[in-house]
Amino acid sequence: DAGVIQSPRHEVTEMGQEVTLRCKPISGHDYLFWYRQTMMRGLELLIYFNNNVPIDDSGMPEDRFSAKMPNASFSTLKIQPSEPRDSAVYFCASRRAGLSYNEQFFGPGTRLTVL
Amino acid sequence: GQQVMQIPQYQHVQEGEDFTTYCNSSTTLSNIQWYKQRPGGHPVFLIQLVKSGEVKKQKRLTFQFGEAKKNSSLHITATQTTDVGTYFCAGKNAGNMLTFGGGTRLMVKP
Repeated sequence: DAGVIQSPRHEVTEMGQEVTLRCKPISGHDYLFWYRQTMMRGLELLIYFNNNVPIDDSGMPEDRFSAKMPNASFSTLKIQPSEPRDSAVYFCASRRAGLSYNEQFFGPGTRLTVL
Repeated sequence: GQQVMQIPQYQHVQEGEDFTTYCNSSTTLSNIQWYKQRPGGHPVFLIQLVKSGEVKKQKRLTFQFGEAKKNSSLHITATQTTDVGTYFCAGKNAGNMLTFGGGTRLMVKP
């Protein structure tokens, strides 16, 4: 299995531009999570999906952030318009459903720099 | 909401010394997980503890879950340079979300 796939790996953009981050979870996983990691705030959960349905988006910073999961193998996190304070590493993670499958598998992350 | 605190934030050790990181939750947890993130990498799952007072070992790593299921620790015996990275605990409540601690960054001097 290729693991969780994220693209792009690095993104440099200017303030005000739209940014779209992409994630392909591990096949067969029912849950998908988007995290943001910064030195100041650590690893924060932004939103998670179960069977493609958003379950909890209370971690999404503000209306500039949106996430979708149109099918079981693809999710996007969009920032529009982007701001310098959005600079961070964004991780996508997935896991299977069931009490015995709590391990989250993280993707390699997208390092976003907003100038 | 649930908060998970982790100490220390940083730890420098000489190779061969022991290392311990501590994790405390503001609420009782259903389970706790530990992850390791190498510099420039992504978090990788190490272990999950479920039972009150549980102790698990992985070679030189010993994980403990407190009796009240609100605290946990990770102890590394005789650290090696390959142990370098940030160790995160992550607490799970009755829902499906993990709340990550701030992590302990371990640096090992050869």
